Amino acid sequence: TQLLEQSPQFLSIQEGENLTVYCNSSSVFSSLQWYRQEPGEGPVLLVTVVTGGEVKKLKRLTFQFGDARKDSSLHITAAQPGDTGLYLCAGALSGGSNYKLTFGKGTLLTVNP
Amino acid sequence: SAVISQKPSRDICQRGTSLTIQCQVDSQVTMMFWYRQQPGQSLTLIATANQGSEATYESGFVIDKFPISRPNLTFSTLTVSNMSPEDSSIYLCSTREGPIYNEQFFGPGTRLTVL
Repeated sequence: TQLLEQSPQFLSIQEGENLTVYCNSSSVFSSLQWYRQEPGEGPVLLVTVVTGGEVKKLKRLTFQFGDARKDSSLHITAAQPGDTGLYLCAGALSGGSNYKLTFGKGTLLTVNP
Repeated sequence: SAVISQKPSRDICQRGTSLTIQCQVDSQVTMMFWYRQQPGQSLTLIATANQGSEATYESGFVIDKFPISRPNLTFSTLTVSNMSPEDSSIYLCSTREGPIYNEQFFGPGTRLTVL
């Protein structure tokens, strides 16, 4: 059973389009992170959200943590080819070990010029 | 954030052999982690390596198969022993940067193919 479900698994869009990817769970997380991974590289941390309902913006990327801290979304406005990559969500379970992260399987985004 | 390097970046190995992967960090860190990323799967934590103590392995991973060394605060190795094709994967090391929120930073990974 996958603790963190990401959707969609694959997404291919044209440059300039908007998109949203989702990270859902039935468990509560004390914090949740989004990473982007490009081929041949390790995941790179984009953002950490910790408060239910929190919204963080990073240029064209908007991250939201659900009120109950069980889900999160990543919205990209006017996608660029440079946004192409594997987007991973990861969370630290509330009440669990404070150093273990649980990862979703990722959303593979391709932005076509 | 710490800069993390891994060697080798990729390798192709024969069944039954062993490969040692090195992870070097440019600053002293307390906790280092080793992950496996199989095709189409999420990152799975293999073990946590703290300097001066035995590595802590996650369920499904054992020391005989994945021995780990942590000789100092900037270096760790992971050995994949007696390899089979099922061990083909990307192996990643990471360090923990945020003591409260457990933000982790990753090396570039080692892509292993076992024939």
